[in-house]
Amino acid sequence: EPEVTQTPSHQVTQMGQEVILRCVPISNHLYFYWYRQILGQKVEFLVSFYNNEISEKSEIFDDQFSVERPDGSNFTLKIRSTKLEDSAMYFCASREGPTEAFFGQGTRLTVV
Amino acid sequence: GEDVEQSLFLSVREGDSSVINCTYTDSSSTYLYWYKQEPGAGLQLLTYIFSNMDMKQDQRLTVLLNKKDKHLSLRIADTQTGDSAIYFCAEGSGGSNYKLTFGKGTLLTVNP
Repeated sequence: EPEVTQTPSHQVTQMGQEVILRCVPISNHLYFYWYRQILGQKVEFLVSFYNNEISEKSEIFDDQFSVERPDGSNFTLKIRSTKLEDSAMYFCASREGPTEAFFGQGTRLTVV
Repeated sequence: GEDVEQSLFLSVREGDSSVINCTYTDSSSTYLYWYKQEPGAGLQLLTYIFSNMDMKQDQRLTVLLNKKDKHLSLRIADTQTGDSAIYFCAEGSGGSNYKLTFGKGTLLTVNP
């Protein structure tokens, strides 16, 4: 069964460093998303991406964040200068249309 | 803005039925979803229901939707210890972006 793949599963980084989280969405899907879940809190929407551009972003998604689809398969989230409060589980999701949204296993980001 | 509320904990005995409840505020929600998250794992799509339906059954899972009261429930029949997990209710709206708004999740504990 096709699945969304995220790498790495766990990333530890020092405050102020840049990180890139990687995702391979399901191949025929058109809509791509990043969500995050701070420990013990809700899963929060960060950004949606369609037709090679950001279609919507939340207030959390400030200038420190960027997304890219560098080739036909990868979808990346970059955090330019990480802060302690960026520590969270980051989920990538993709969907073909308005129904099912499939999530990856997540990348746990720990900023120290 | 959109908001989704769930009770935080539910404890049942193995073999009993579990009912997890959810309320949402966005009357323009198109689809409503239930996701399951096991410890340390990603978000697994269990089922979803279109907003013009009032019930959907899928094996042991029954979803009931009361659109007037904006109330969604997930019933798990014959609950097993393997059903122990966090269950997230989510609503999908936001025009063509189809982003999801999640509840905080309900921790289901199944006791032998």
